[in-house]
Amino acid sequence: NAGVTQTPKFRVLKTGQSMTLLCAQDMNHEYMYWYRQDPGMGLRLIHYSVGEGTTAKGEVPDGYNVSRLKKQNFLLGLESAAPSQTSVYFCASSDRDRGRSTEAFFGQGTRLTVV
Amino acid sequence: AQSVAQPEDQVNVAEGNPLTVKCTYSVSGNPYLFWYVQYPNRGLQFLLKYITGDNLVKGSYGFEAEFNKSQTSFHLKKPSALVSDSALYFCAVRSSGAGSYQLTFGKGTKLSVIP
Repeated sequence: NAGVTQTPKFRVLKTGQSMTLLCAQDMNHEYMYWYRQDPGMGLRLIHYSVGEGTTAKGEVPDGYNVSRLKKQNFLLGLESAAPSQTSVYFCASSDRDRGRSTEAFFGQGTRLTVV
Repeated sequence: AQSVAQPEDQVNVAEGNPLTVKCTYSVSGNPYLFWYVQYPNRGLQFLLKYITGDNLVKGSYGFEAEFNKSQTSFHLKKPSALVSDSALYFCAVRSSGAGSYQLTFGKGTKLSVIP
């Protein structure tokens, strides 16, 4: 059972470079999320998606874009990386509510350093 | 806007003693509440959730949490702590309202169980 898989696990970027983080889930979940985790800040929601072809902004969306062309994949893009985007990024997915909320399943994280 | 407060950055407890990790929340309408645990360099793992019904919720690894609506709290507890419980714990909330998809996390509490 793969669950939620994030690619890559580690990356170092130079300021101004671009990159895409890939999240793939094999649980047929409707909802997908991208979070960033910084020391003392907990997890902050960047963007989320409630279904294929739909995306929405979270708490800290600036500097990031997302796409959900396929139900199982949720891509997070950084067009022009900045040192402030140095963080650990987590993807999560959860099933559609059917009268009862379901928990989110998390990937192992991507550690991104922007120099 | 919904929010979660975890008032203690760190909790230290002796092995075998009971432990409590505190969480209070603010959300419109009725809450869905969750606890997650994170071990070093790992993703978040689901522990337990409150959706509705019994205020005392039992979860994985002997953990439980008590929902208190009047105090807007959802404290995590365990009767007897193990050294292996040492980790970072996150409380999270979602509104049960229609169209509410955002899962908001607290800043986390580091639990250290001392042998």
